[in-house]
Amino acid sequence: QQPVQSPQAVILREGEDAVINCSSSKALYSVHWYRQKHGEAPIFLMILLKGGEQKGHDKISASFNEKKQQSSLYLTASQLSYSGTYFCGTEIRIKAAGNKLTFGGGTRVLVKP
Amino acid sequence: DSGVTQTPKHLITATGQRVTLRCSPRSGDLSVYWYQQSLDQGLQFLIQYYNGEERAKGNILERFSAQQFPDLHSELNLSSLELGDSALYFCASGGGNIQYFGAGTRLSVL
Repeated sequence: QQPVQSPQAVILREGEDAVINCSSSKALYSVHWYRQKHGEAPIFLMILLKGGEQKGHDKISASFNEKKQQSSLYLTASQLSYSGTYFCGTEIRIKAAGNKLTFGGGTRVLVKP
Repeated sequence: DSGVTQTPKHLITATGQRVTLRCSPRSGDLSVYWYQQSLDQGLQFLIQYYNGEERAKGNILERFSAQQFPDLHSELNLSSLELGDSALYFCASGGGNIQYFGAGTRLSVL
């Protein structure tokens, strides 16, 4: 089943913070975060494995609460370049299923000057 | 540049036709994944190949098929095309947990 992302869209002023959430109804092995600019390929941001460790990529960080099957992506002091659609991809590690990702519906982020 | 190459970039064809999309993975990556992204939609997983073998299947229509060749490049074949097949088709490759996406092939079915 597809993970649920919230909010669907967010508009920020440069320098503001935002949080994007990703929830799954299934026990997760990992959560992947990608950003996609319109008409371009999704770009890998970070992966979080079971263990709840917080990761960071510049001023973008994420956490993974495996008990709640939730991940949150934190955009801190947002920059214009952060605009795009953010997708979480969840992985349920079942041997026969390979390591396919199931992506959420995406969160559109617009950062204005 | 992710290192994943997809050709062609754009494809315009008519309903009922058949097309082939090609993907060359990053050097050393054994896994290839195919995704479909319809207008303003999320990424729908279609199929995964690992070192020539089908590894995982998603919501791939029977009209669609894929294969991975000994040199690890992959092809996605779409037949009996319908208007609703118009979408961006992405290929991704990976050697471990991370998937790296190609620039995609935009398919327009008229």
